[in-house]
Amino acid sequence: EDQVTQSPEALRLQEGESSSLNCSYTVSGLRGLFWYRQDPGKGPEFLFTLYSAGEEKEKERLKATLTKKESFLHITAPKPEDSATYLCAVQAPGGAQKLVFGQGTRLTINP
Amino acid sequence: DAGVIQSPRHEVTEMGQEVTLRCKPISGHNSLFWYRQTMMRGLELLIYFNNNVPIDDSGMPEDRFSAKMPNASFSTLKIQPSEPRDSAVYFCASSLASSETQYFGPGTRLLVL
Repeated sequence: EDQVTQSPEALRLQEGESSSLNCSYTVSGLRGLFWYRQDPGKGPEFLFTLYSAGEEKEKERLKATLTKKESFLHITAPKPEDSATYLCAVQAPGGAQKLVFGQGTRLTINP
Repeated sequence: DAGVIQSPRHEVTEMGQEVTLRCKPISGHNSLFWYRQTMMRGLELLIYFNNNVPIDDSGMPEDRFSAKMPNASFSTLKIQPSEPRDSAVYFCASSLASSETQYFGPGTRLLVL
């Protein structure tokens, strides 16, 4: 069974304090790994898709990386507006479009 | 682009009542997904459609849940009868059939008393 585990569950940082969020996965052949951001009371907002080990993608202060067993979301010099829950999801092969989500990491950036 | 539209945004009902949630996917998207989010279980896929046809409903919890997609621009998720344990946020998402990126709506917050 495909599984996604995110850590830590919650993370508090000071503004400007860089850190990383982890997403470990077990899937029989990864088709794609997705990162979403979710603000309170809103739907998940798409950030990145990674397809193969070694791939990296960046957007403003965020950079996502992928290995064969896990993905990291690096946050560089975060600002209070980066506070949100970050969700990771995996898609297995076989033509299905099903995403299996992790429980998320709740990130708080204090000014 | 209007994005995925869901209605109602909030629903409070009593146990045993029928609840219908509605979704309008992004124009041109061929795939539609219904998810449920709770604190305990996180975000779970209930059912998804390709070109209006249900492909996988293995996540639908019970026969009390049903979903339809009568055309490319509209889908419903119905719970009948509703129970307190159905209380959750229900999200609809859509994607192009050729792309795996799913775009989510704002969700419907359901409370069953």
